[in-house]
Amino acid sequence: QVQLQESGPGLVKPSETLSLTCTVSRYSISTNYYWGWIRQPPGKGLEWIGSMYYTGSTYYNPSLKSRVTISIDTSKNQFSLKLTSVTAADTALYYCARGTGSYSSKMDYWGQGTLVTVSS
Amino acid sequence: DIVMTQSPLSLPVTPGEPASISCRSSQSLVHSNGYNYLDWYLQKPGQSPQLLINLGSNRASGVPDRFSGSGSGTDFTLKISRVEAEDVGVYYCMQAIQTPLAFGQGTRLDIK
Repeated sequence: QVQLQESGPGLVKPSETLSLTCTVSRYSISTNYYWGWIRQPPGKGLEWIGSMYYTGSTYYNPSLKSRVTISIDTSKNQFSLKLTSVTAADTALYYCARGTGSYSSKMDYWGQGTLVTVSS
Repeated sequence: DIVMTQSPLSLPVTPGEPASISCRSSQSLVHSNGYNYLDWYLQKPGQSPQLLINLGSNRASGVPDRFSGSGSGTDFTLKISRVEAEDVGVYYCMQAIQTPLAFGQGTRLDIK
């Protein structure tokens, strides 16, 4: 069974950079598929942040595009999210997921999520 | 960007009864290959979302056959033939035909 686990700071100060890592187990991320990030503000719905195809192509939500970078470290079987210049509006539960369909759709495995709070 | 609209937003259901959730997209989700690029997810309380349906009507592995997806173009429906207690949670549709991928607002299913 494929497993994904998010990790990173739970508290980030406004204007700083949010950095999260997703560690994948029991599947090599360099083999296939899309690897994506989705977030969920407290009590609200889901928002797609972006994804990276295993070949290195990236796709970002335009609403965040200027601030987001997704990268892959195949040596560690991890992929990462960086979101710059954060504000309170970026406070959310951040999920990583594997997408076996286009652009990281058909997300069949998800991490448990990690809560990131933006506050001074 | 494609906007996804779900209804109803709240759905109380008696166990054993059927349930239906509607999802509409602001643009057609039909790909040139004929498939509808529409996923359905269920987020049970305190859990990560889980894939129920992809390509509009394909049940994901392990999903009970009481769940079915239908529709084409801009109008889609998720049906549960007989609701069970374990089906409570928030159901989301998501378009996957173009970026940015977009989710509906979610439909909360509760047991009466």
